[in-house]
Amino acid sequence: DGGITQSPKYLFRKEGQNVTLSCEQNLNHDAMYWYRQDPGQGLRLIYYSQIVNDFQKGDIAEGYSVSREKKESFPLTVTSAQKNPTAFYLCASSQNSGEATDTQYFGPGTRLTVL
Amino acid sequence: GQQLNQSPQSMFIQEGEDVSMNCTSSSIFNTWLWYKQDPGEGPVLLIALYKAGELTSNGRLTAQFGITRKDSFLNISASIPSDVGIYFCAGRRAGSYQLTFGKGTKLSVIP
Repeated sequence: DGGITQSPKYLFRKEGQNVTLSCEQNLNHDAMYWYRQDPGQGLRLIYYSQIVNDFQKGDIAEGYSVSREKKESFPLTVTSAQKNPTAFYLCASSQNSGEATDTQYFGPGTRLTVL
Repeated sequence: GQQLNQSPQSMFIQEGEDVSMNCTSSSIFNTWLWYKQDPGEGPVLLIALYKAGELTSNGRLTAQFGITRKDSFLNISASIPSDVGIYFCAGRRAGSYQLTFGKGTKLSVIP
């Protein structure tokens, strides 16, 4: 099956610990994205990558880091510098064709709770 | 980043009723997307719109790209219980890879 997988579904960490969220896609998409979702809020962009070995900060990048060493993988690290890390994290990908028809598809999400 | 103005914030409707929700922006978009999110899951794309004035249907769902390119609406006809969820609009400006999202419309359907 083609799609985007995120693991784990639920993650619990102690305050002060770094944690890495996994995102893998087998859609052969060039671009990948990380969003944060809080209750009653829309999705806010953390980081995005248009191509392997390149990534850009989104609107709320502080306290997060990413890497894009492989086309199919875009892991997100939530560092101890992130002041309010408890949230639902969504990964997405798109073909990055540059066309208006380029559409983002989402993974199932990871709910991170920092205790 | 800017967020779209999506309304209403929430709706309670009887099964079988029609539903309408919309998004507006002060900026022009060249793409409008509508997603549905079930609790604890990622958003699923419902309808994509690429031209001003475009009207597109997907089963009981119909969405339109406003002619000013600053708004879009989504209609759901004859609602059923599985329509429950949060509906998000998203827009993309010309030349940008980023999407701007509305805050969502939470739909509840009363059987």
